[in-house]
Amino acid sequence: QKEVEQNSGPLSVPEGAIASLNCTYSDRGSQSFFWYRQYSGKSPELIMFIYSNGDKEDGRFTAQLNKASQYVSLLIRDSQPSDSATYLCAAGDYQTGANNLFFGTGTRLTVIP
Amino acid sequence: GAVVSQHPSWVICKSGTSVKIECRSLDFQATTMFWYRQFPKQSLMLMATSNEGSKATYEQGVEKDKFLINHASLTLSTLTVTSAHPEDSSFYICSASSRNTDTQYFGPGTRLTVL
Repeated sequence: QKEVEQNSGPLSVPEGAIASLNCTYSDRGSQSFFWYRQYSGKSPELIMFIYSNGDKEDGRFTAQLNKASQYVSLLIRDSQPSDSATYLCAAGDYQTGANNLFFGTGTRLTVIP
Repeated sequence: GAVVSQHPSWVICKSGTSVKIECRSLDFQATTMFWYRQFPKQSLMLMATSNEGSKATYEQGVEKDKFLINHASLTLSTLTVTSAHPEDSSFYICSASSRNTDTQYFGPGTRLTVL
């Protein structure tokens, strides 16, 4: 059973702080990892993906991957109230030409003005 | 980026009726489409995976005769909820991927309410 685990939160941070979201996965064969943001009542939107060990930065977001520890994280710098949402971590398993994603249950982030 | 649309965005129907939801990839050819269901305050639950021109693969516990999936073209997949009941009320979300993308792009979702 392939599992992706996240702390459900809620995680509260003050505006301007760094929000740190964590995720672990069970399948060592997972090759790609994704962070999606989901606002209440909306569908998920892709924020970042990462394949290689180390850090990947995109604006205020940094994804970190440690395959040895089976650990993925997302850092949000200078958090804004508009970042308040549920963040879904997903691990990708490439099969038959498609990328099947295994989702965690999500971490709810609240940025306090 | 890749754009996926869904129609309708919301639907209210009476118990026992059937509802069809369309999922379209607007600017790329989707070799695979995924259908998810999400109940309030819960995570996404994958219902089925469909490849263009093939029968859908359903997740355990999802009734294939109740949730009919058709993926007749590279840009369109449909989910039909047959004989809908109140417990089928949920947020249904599709996503699409192709051989040139290695992630899934989500549609905006369809909120189904069965009275």
